[in-house]
Amino acid sequence: DTGVSQDPRHKITKRGQNVTFRCDPISEHNRLYWYRQTLGQGPEFLTYFQNEAQLEKSRLLSDRFSAERPKGSFSTLEIQRTEQGDSAMYLCASSHGLAGGEQYFGPGTRLTVT
Amino acid sequence: AQKVTQAQTEISVVEKEDVTLDCVYETRDTTYYLFWYKQPPSGELVFLIRRNSFDEQNEISGRYSWNFQKSTSSFNFTITASQVVDSAVYFCALSEARTSNYQLIWGAGTKLIIKP
Repeated sequence: DTGVSQDPRHKITKRGQNVTFRCDPISEHNRLYWYRQTLGQGPEFLTYFQNEAQLEKSRLLSDRFSAERPKGSFSTLEIQRTEQGDSAMYLCASSHGLAGGEQYFGPGTRLTVT
Repeated sequence: AQKVTQAQTEISVVEKEDVTLDCVYETRDTTYYLFWYKQPPSGELVFLIRRNSFDEQNEISGRYSWNFQKSTSSFNFTITASQVVDSAVYFCALSEARTSNYQLIWGAGTKLIIKP
């Protein structure tokens, strides 16, 4: 039984560069979530997929952020023209489709923008 | 307004003491779900428990127990006979049925330090 995996675990990039993160959810889960977490805070919702459809994006998510989930399997989160304020832990979670189902989290990708 | 409040920012106890982490939530939904997650220093969020709004039974799992009281909108978490490995940040979260995506609304977390 494999849990949620994320790659890379750490990413250091220079301001202005583009970065892409990958998330592989638990195989039977059709819901996939992206969150961002900064130090000392709880996770902050970014976006959500049901199968391959992106159903909601947070209003906090700027146009520089885009996410995909082709074929309803793995997902990618891309940040274009990174800014120092993008430095955070990016968390992916998946859940089955039942109402209020618990979400299982991956280890996260820690992004540092210099 | 905060929907999930964890008033205790940090708690420090000596090993083997019992400790309770408080969580107060706010919602207008009659159907909702409450969760506790543990985030150890390694960073990965670990699911501990899920409770729906229609089930007020308290739950015990080993040294962990949860007290859900709708009358006070609280979902408190108690660790009995704490151990150093319990040191982590603990988050309480709420999911409301009216939000179709069931996104989690998180408290700010309580950092628990267990001293040997």
